[in-house]
Amino acid sequence: DAGITQSPRHKVTETGTPVTLRCHQTENHRYMYWYRQDPGHGLRLIHYSYGVKDTDKGEVSDGYSVSRSKTEDFLLTLESATSSQTSVYFCATSGQGGWGDTQYFGPGTRLTVL
Amino acid sequence: AQTVTQSQPEMSVQEAETVTLSCTYDTSESDYYLFWYKQPPSRQMILVIRQEAYKQQNATENRFSVNFQKAAKSFSLKISDSQLGDAAMYFCAYRSANTGNQFYFGTGTSLTVIP
Repeated sequence: DAGITQSPRHKVTETGTPVTLRCHQTENHRYMYWYRQDPGHGLRLIHYSYGVKDTDKGEVSDGYSVSRSKTEDFLLTLESATSSQTSVYFCATSGQGGWGDTQYFGPGTRLTVL
Repeated sequence: AQTVTQSQPEMSVQEAETVTLSCTYDTSESDYYLFWYKQPPSRQMILVIRQEAYKQQNATENRFSVNFQKAAKSFSLKISDSQLGDAAMYFCAYRSANTGNQFYFGTGTSLTVIP
């Protein structure tokens, strides 16, 4: 398995506060992704990155921003958290080994916004 | 965007029996990749099996195999000799071979294994 860690693993915060989730990988994978998982919706892509400083929006990007200043780190920021952003957040990576390259996932972060 | 549909929110199977999970997808592309991921209660997403669309032969991984019907845009997962450890949420996923590196996931099927 790819070495992907997420921090924090659990967080409870209040509406209106900023929150930053961190994803760290040790595989030197080019592509990194942030998903949210909600019951009945599966995994939905928030943002992804195809290289340092290169990012793009996914399906549910409103209210989220990302940054990638190093290959190994991909940060997800909720500028002003809302209750609708209560979810489980997954980071994933994939390499540059070809079109069929598989995604590898981190362990997830459970975020609760009160 | 491509859509991936898993029409069975929940399935159950007796231990040692065989179960098939369904997945259909919508695409106009000819080159793509399909995946099945397993998510046990630990929440960790684990790759089960993958299939390249240009390959006619169905992929197999031990007790897991797929039935890939390209014309029907169907990609079902068969689990043989089901074990208690197979109990999990299973997600089907699609990745284009031509338009970038986005993956599209279905909504998942929750599999219960009955002892």
